[in-house]
Amino acid sequence: AQKITQTQPGMFVQEKEAVTLDCTYDTSDPSYGLFWYKQPSSGEMIFLIYQGSYDQQNATEGRYSLNFQKARKSANLVISASQLGDSAMYFCAIERVQGAQKLVFGQGTRLTINP
Amino acid sequence: ETGVTQTPRHLVMGMTNKKSLKCEQHLGHNAMYWYKQSAKKPLELMFVYSLEERVENNSVPSRFSPECPNSSHLFLHLHTLQPEDSALYLCASSHPQGTGELFFGEGSRLTVL
Repeated sequence: AQKITQTQPGMFVQEKEAVTLDCTYDTSDPSYGLFWYKQPSSGEMIFLIYQGSYDQQNATEGRYSLNFQKARKSANLVISASQLGDSAMYFCAIERVQGAQKLVFGQGTRLTINP
Repeated sequence: ETGVTQTPRHLVMGMTNKKSLKCEQHLGHNAMYWYKQSAKKPLELMFVYSLEERVENNSVPSRFSPECPNSSHLFLHLHTLQPEDSALYLCASSHPQGTGELFFGEGSRLTVL
């Protein structure tokens, strides 16, 4: 079974600083995908970035990058030059390959950007 | 603007009421999902529909009854709920040939009195 662990319930960062949100995972699937989602106070889950387990390079999307360390089973999200609008809950998720397609989510990290 | 729309956004109901949550997507996806998000808990997958057929039911109590009349619409019928069912209910959809990315609605915040 897949499992996602996010050990940081809350993070406080100064505006314009970089921040790393931790995510470790456990899976027995040989091939899998890792996702990060952002959930602002409005409730909607917004897709940020995807990393395939066989991708050679770490994924990047604008200010978001994924520090993928397969041997350590970690997929940390790095946000560069943080902005006030980055304040939100952040969820790491892993895709289950077998059976019905679905994502298994971690408990999330609440990120607060201070001006 | 999200491609997945959920109504109502907020719902308050008594334990004896019957209500329904609605989800609609016009993204051309053929898989739809209901997730439950309670405070301080990870998102819990409730139901998965693929091609309008329920393919997964994660031991959800029978007081929750899903319905998928077509690939664009998904309902969650609620009947004799308990206060612990109060949560944010998120609908999502996905494309079968995609990376597995889920497209979420803004959720329906349910309060059971």
